Amino acid sequence: SQTIHQWPATLVQPVGSPLSLECTVEGTSNPNLYWYRQAAGRGLQLLFYSVGIGQISSEVPQNLSASRPQDRQFILSSKKLLLSDSGFYLCAWAGQLGMNTEAFFGQGTRLTVV
Amino acid sequence: AQSVTQLGSHVSVSEGALVLLRCNYSSSVPPYLFWYVQYPNQGLQLLLKYTTGATLVKGINGFEAEFKKSETSFHLTKPSAHMSDAAEYFCAVSDQGTGGFKTIFGAGTRLFVKA
Repeated sequence: SQTIHQWPATLVQPVGSPLSLECTVEGTSNPNLYWYRQAAGRGLQLLFYSVGIGQISSEVPQNLSASRPQDRQFILSSKKLLLSDSGFYLCAWAGQLGMNTEAFFGQGTRLTVV
Repeated sequence: AQSVTQLGSHVSVSEGALVLLRCNYSSSVPPYLFWYVQYPNQGLQLLLKYTTGATLVKGINGFEAEFKKSETSFHLTKPSAHMSDAAEYFCAVSDQGTGGFKTIFGAGTRLFVKA
């Protein structure tokens, strides 16, 4: 069966420090991968998605970047964190079957920038 | 681009009462619609989805949703609320982006269940 791992679960970082959040998927190949951010009371905002290695689509301009160095690995990064980067970050994957395929989510990373 | 609107950021019901969470969508093509549930500090879990066929979709935990094209709605219901239903619920729609397809979520509705 497929599983998705996301770490760390919680993270407290000072303003201006770098960020690296990692997400890996097991049990499937060539998944679509997604990074979402959930801020308090604001729903889920799609940050990045990827249909293959090295292919990244960005939804909104921001202080973050994403990379997909391997088929089942998706990394969210920042060179210098801002206070506004605080939030709950969720990684998700979906099959390549089409738009009727649901997304499967990791457990999330709670990031607090201080 | 597709979008969804969830009416009411908070809904409060008594245990045993009907749960109704509202979702309207905008789509230029036949939509693929989803409801997800999120418990505190966890990821999202699929409740149900509409793709094609029967417009009344049954999901897990006794939830169901009805796709109404004329109203562009996909409201989530449960006949009798249980304390364990307290969570945040998200309506979502699939969209085709330049880099592939993606899931767009509504702002979410937090459900409170009173004893």
